[in-house]
Amino acid sequence: DIQMTQSPSTLSASVGDRVTITCRASQSIGSWLAWYQQKPGKAPNLLIYMASTLESGVPSRFRGSGSGTEFTLTISSLQPDDFATYYCQQYNSYWTFGQGTKVEIK
Amino acid sequence: QITLKESGPTLVKPTQTLTLTCTFSGFSLSISGVGVGWIRQPPGKALEWLALIYWDDGERYTSSLKNRLTITKDTSKNNVVLTMTNMDPVDTATYYCAHRRGNGVFDFWGQGTLVTVSS
Repeated sequence: DIQMTQSPSTLSASVGDRVTITCRASQSIGSWLAWYQQKPGKAPNLLIYMASTLESGVPSRFRGSGSGTEFTLTISSLQPDDFATYYCQQYNSYWTFGQGTKVEIK
Repeated sequence: QITLKESGPTLVKPTQTLTLTCTFSGFSLSISGVGVGWIRQPPGKALEWLALIYWDDGERYTSSLKNRLTITKDTSKNNVVLTMTNMDPVDTATYYCAHRRGNGVFDFWGQGTLVTVSS
């Protein structure tokens, strides 16, 4: 099974900050990686797929990059609505989620 | 507009079998490439993919729970059913169903249903 490891687990930031979250796969997954945002009590929301393709309707301040085993999600200028938990997910071989990164207010 | 909604018991006893139904609209599970998956999330913890069924009846299960899970579909009723046997308190979680797009990602999710396992 492919394991996904995110870092950090928690990130404290302020509005306007540039934020980067890292996700590592236990083996190469090509570009078969997605990022989701989840707010408390809500279902996850798809942000990015194929490592760097922005889902329709997602603000352009979200950017994904990487391939193989290392991936990043960058929020260029953190907005109040962005405080949430973010998950990476590989879909190269079945589906596996990372353990999540909580972005909290500093 | 794609929508999905989970239904089933909110409380089950240890050793019982859980049966959850995902009722969807806005797509057909007979279209090539489409699938419906189940994902769960214990309180305060991460998401865990459980199972998925494809338009062609193909089934996929997470290896750690494969022996306890069964996923089926009823295309005419637009629903997908997940059964999980021998429930344990550690299976307490919010269970989500989600639409699998042709490229593999889960793009639409149900609201989730919290299932508590307790005697």
